[in-house]
Amino acid sequence: DTEVTQTPKHLVMGMTNKKSLKCEQHMGHRAMYWYKQKAKKPPELMFVYSYEKLSINESVPSRFSPECPNSSLLNLHLHALQPEDSALYLCASSQETGLAANTGELFFGEGSRLTVL
Amino acid sequence: AQSVAQPEDQVNVAEGNPLTVKCTYSVSGNPYLFWYVQYPNRGLQFLLKYITGDNLVKGSYGFEAEFNKSQTSFHLKKPSALVSDSALYFCAVSGLVSTGFQKLVFGTGTRLLVSP
Repeated sequence: DTEVTQTPKHLVMGMTNKKSLKCEQHMGHRAMYWYKQKAKKPPELMFVYSYEKLSINESVPSRFSPECPNSSLLNLHLHALQPEDSALYLCASSQETGLAANTGELFFGEGSRLTVL
Repeated sequence: AQSVAQPEDQVNVAEGNPLTVKCTYSVSGNPYLFWYVQYPNRGLQFLLKYITGDNLVKGSYGFEAEFNKSQTSFHLKKPSALVSDSALYFCAVSGLVSTGFQKLVFGTGTRLLVSP
């Protein structure tokens, strides 16, 4: 299994809603990532988890709250979002972390397209 | 800081012709360079990478890339383009952040359109 599965594929929410994006991988990867991609732009790193611990937070607003319940799952909890948060949210994983991760590829899910009204 | 630049927003090529998608890099230390492809409404797929060794790197779907240290370039190439190669291509550089974890920095992307 070389897939990273993301749900839901599409999500529409109001600014007062609370929702979650989910990501799952069964490749035994130790690092998991959230990226945000706006239309016609490159993905931008949001968070990195290594061995289920938050390792990198790229100064993301607190209305985005990541969670890694176990080594296979990664969630992104959304609350009080703004319309400018509408984007494609990509989850990725890599086999290694730290120095070894520098030379390895990321495996991406197909993304969750979020629209905030 | 590590960065890559993709000077072309779009590349047009006829099916069967060779294609080149350009990428230049700016890094301190050894460059770890990647190409990813993104099809419409999909996630990114890894194509190939340069870490060390042979300057010509072969990857998925018949793509290859040439690492040129003197020109700080890592151009993506394919000898014969297919209509199905039409997609968004991202060059990326990998570097460690201060916490010791990988950060992949992407270029702005180049849209490849292959006409029949």
